[in-house]
Amino acid sequence: ETGVTQTPRHLVMGMTNKKSLKCEQHLGHNAMYWYKQSAKKPLELMFVYSLEERVENNSVPSRFSPECPNSSHLFLHLHTLQPEDSALYLCASSQGLAGQDTQYFGPGTRLTVL
Amino acid sequence: DQQVKQNSPSLSVQEGRISILNCDYTNSMFDYFLWYKKYPAEGPTFLISISSIKDKNEDGRFTVFLNKSAKHLSLHIVPSQPGDSAVYFCAARVWNSGGSNYKLTFGKGTLLTVNP
Repeated sequence: ETGVTQTPRHLVMGMTNKKSLKCEQHLGHNAMYWYKQSAKKPLELMFVYSLEERVENNSVPSRFSPECPNSSHLFLHLHTLQPEDSALYLCASSQGLAGQDTQYFGPGTRLTVL
Repeated sequence: DQQVKQNSPSLSVQEGRISILNCDYTNSMFDYFLWYKKYPAEGPTFLISISSIKDKNEDGRFTVFLNKSAKHLSLHIVPSQPGDSAVYFCAARVWNSGGSNYKLTFGKGTLLTVNP
C-alpha cells in the first residue's frame, strides 16, 4: 500500500451504533488530519494530530472521538451520531505542521447515518 | 462566514482552450494558497501552490495568479485536456494562533468539465 488509505470506503450506521473509521499513511509523515465534507459545503477541518498528540480540536461534537496510537494510524470513533453527520470523512497526512508541508489525502469514507 | 469562496460551482470548456478557475478570500492573514484537484471516489490531490509574497507560480500547464489587493487568486490551465475534468478546490493557509499548527481553509470547489 502506498499513500494514505482509509477503511471502510462506505459505512451505513444507525444512530445508536458505534463504529470506527480507520486511516493509515505509508509516507513517513508526522502529522495527520480528519476532515469532514458535507454536501455543498467546503472541507471542514475536525482534528489535527502531530506526533500522536492532538494539536487542534475544531469544536467538534463529542460523539466524534479521534485516536492516534502512532504516527501512521488515525482513527475516528463514532457513537450516537445524527443523520446530519452523514458526509464524506477524509483523512490527510503531512510531513509536519510548519512550513509548506503539502497534505496528502486518503480516498475518504462515505458515511450515511440512518 | 466563509473565508474562502469559489463562486462558480461548475465550469465547462473545450479541449485545447484555457480553463480559468477563480477563488476569493477574506482573511488577510492567509499566507499561502493551494489548489487541490479531486476525482470522483478519490481524495483531493495537491496541484499547485503560491506564497503570499509572490503573484504568479507556474508548473507546466498550470499557473496560479495571486492578487493580494483584491484578495483573489485564479488557476489557469492551458491547454485544457479531458483528463483535467475534476473538482478543483482552492485552499488558504493561516497560522493557528491558539495552537501550534497551520490551518487550511477550503472553498466549496468548482467542477471543471473539459469537452473533447
